[in-house]
Amino acid sequence: RKEVEQDPGPFNVPEGATVAFNCTYSNSASQSFFWYRQDCRKEPKLLMSVYSSGNEDGRFTAQLNRASQYISLLIRDSKLSDSATYLCVVNRVSGSARQLTFGSGTQLTVLP
Amino acid sequence: GAVVSQHPSWVICKSGTSVKIECRSLDFQATTMFWYRQFPKQSLMLMATSNEGSKATYEQGVEKDKFLINHASLTLSTLTVTSAHPEDSSFYICSGTSFSYEQYFGPGTRLTVT
Repeated sequence: RKEVEQDPGPFNVPEGATVAFNCTYSNSASQSFFWYRQDCRKEPKLLMSVYSSGNEDGRFTAQLNRASQYISLLIRDSKLSDSATYLCVVNRVSGSARQLTFGSGTQLTVLP
Repeated sequence: GAVVSQHPSWVICKSGTSVKIECRSLDFQATTMFWYRQFPKQSLMLMATSNEGSKATYEQGVEKDKFLINHASLTLSTLTVTSAHPEDSSFYICSGTSFSYEQYFGPGTRLTVT
């Protein structure tokens, strides 16, 4: 079983739609959780951290359920520029530095 | 955020040759650097972790004699793919971290081995 699992998609949604991505992780000792965004042939970029209390950044809302080992990302009023691959990322701290484990990503295409 | 550069951004080489990829932290001192590999439509896979001045720690299944990592200074790490083969063709991404533990990613290097 993969350490971080995501629905690969693709999700094709019209502009203005709301779309939700889900992710599960297997290591219950995982410390921190993130959503990254990766554009084609580019490096991943941090979109937002995910906290147990849930957090929101503009049109983006992230949720974490530690009991179910489940993470979600909700995008409201989607824009064409939101088209990208969204990576669920889990941190397992090893020694003195973070070690990130990446999901395989969920591809989103926002259509005009 | 902090900036990490990689050079070259893309490289094509012949099978059997070696390729060196540089990763530099431009405005911070990276006490730890990570090297990842990403095949098409797959996730980033951690290859190795290197701390400045010490030997890299390789992930299971990654050949340390094939992927040579040097982290001689707080701003530079290099990955050398020795005797490259077509199956080594991939997107190689480095990241650096300082005491804040945030990872800052380089733009990646696309390697094609013919």
